[in-house]
Amino acid sequence: DADVTQTPRNRITKTGKRIMLECSQTKGHDRMYWYRQDPGLGLRLIYYSFDVKDINKGEISDGYSVSRQAQAKFSLSLESAIPNQTALYFCATSDSGSEQYFGPGTRLTVT
Amino acid sequence: TQLLEQSPQFLSIQEGENLTVYCNSSSVFSSLQWYRQEPGEGPVLLVTVVTGGEVKKLKRLTFQFGDARKDSSLHITAAQPGDTGLYLCAGPPYSGSARQLTFGSGTQLTVLP
Repeated sequence: DADVTQTPRNRITKTGKRIMLECSQTKGHDRMYWYRQDPGLGLRLIYYSFDVKDINKGEISDGYSVSRQAQAKFSLSLESAIPNQTALYFCATSDSGSEQYFGPGTRLTVT
Repeated sequence: TQLLEQSPQFLSIQEGENLTVYCNSSSVFSSLQWYRQEPGEGPVLLVTVVTGGEVKKLKRLTFQFGDARKDSSLHITAAQPGDTGLYLCAGPPYSGSARQLTFGSGTQLTVLP
């Protein structure tokens, strides 16, 4: 079984809809991250959390919110989706080191 | 402004050829990581280099961290189709938060049989 899972794997939605992407991990790591990936731009950090009570904005947090429901679960919400949020979204985890372990990604399309 | 610049952006070679991809910055990094990402999957960590001048080998892949810890390179010997993928470098900037990784934009490698 995968250590980091993401649901859904693919989602098509319309402008203005609220969307939630979910991430679960069985690695026992305290740290979790949400990134988006766009062609030619690499991975950009949206939010990160170092424990259940710690939530921090990343480079591109506008238009997104997160919830850390438990050590193993970290969800990303788009309150009102817009077309330029069309991208690949990745969840990642790490322990106290900087090396990160990624989920398989969610391909989100906003029409 | 991209803190980590990777070159080339795209590389297509024949099986058996050698290649080198580069990861450069004007900033110092406390360490650098290399990841490989295949279509439909998330990035997978290949190696972490920590010490300036460090060289690490992973089978046919050789990773080097620059003496000044501002750059890194990945050399693949006798490339195989299974090496195809997006190669990403990443690191925590030395002067920035150790809590975050900065990623380069990646090198898309295609190895043709």
